[in-house]
Amino acid sequence: DADVTQTPRNRITKTGKRIMLECSQTKGHDRMYWYRQDPGLGLRLIYYSFDVKDINKGEISDGYSVSRQAQAKFSLSLESAIPNQTALYFCATSGRQGKEQFFGPGTRLTVL
Amino acid sequence: QKEVEQNSGPLSVPEGAIASLNCTYSDRGSQSFFWYRQYSGKSPELIMSIYSNGDKEDGRFTAQLNKASQYVSLLIRDSQPSDSATYLCAAESGGSYIPTFGRGTSLIVHP
Repeated sequence: DADVTQTPRNRITKTGKRIMLECSQTKGHDRMYWYRQDPGLGLRLIYYSFDVKDINKGEISDGYSVSRQAQAKFSLSLESAIPNQTALYFCATSGRQGKEQFFGPGTRLTVL
Repeated sequence: QKEVEQNSGPLSVPEGAIASLNCTYSDRGSQSFFWYRQYSGKSPELIMSIYSNGDKEDGRFTAQLNKASQYVSLLIRDSQPSDSATYLCAAESGGSYIPTFGRGTSLIVHP
């Protein structure tokens, strides 16, 4: 079974709709991250959380919000989706003992 | 602003050759360095981490770190077509747990 899962894997939506992307992990890691990846722009950090009560903005948080429901769950919301939020979204985790990150399979989001 | 620079490529090598991927970073406070492999449409997968100057070998992969020159490299020996992917370099400043990723180098290994 996958250690980091993301749902949905693919989503097509319309401008103005609210979208939630979910991430769950069974690795027991405290740190969780949300990234988006666009062709030619690499991975950009949206939000990160080092424990349930800790939420921090990344470099491109505008238009996004997050919720850390439990140690194992970290959700990303787009309150009112716009076409330039079309991208591949990754959740990642890292553990207390290491700085390596482990990525989920990704969600491909298309906003029409 | 912290930056990690990689040549976007593509780097094309024949099967069986050594592929050399390079990365430079701007933050002298960086202490941890990582190489991830990403197949098209898939998620990044950690293949190497390195923390000290010098070489670190793992199977066909060797990571090299030179902190004085702010340079990290990844060598892939006996390259295989299955190594064709984008390789992401990342650097993390001590204690932040927030890595800065490069944009990746595309590697093509042709038979």
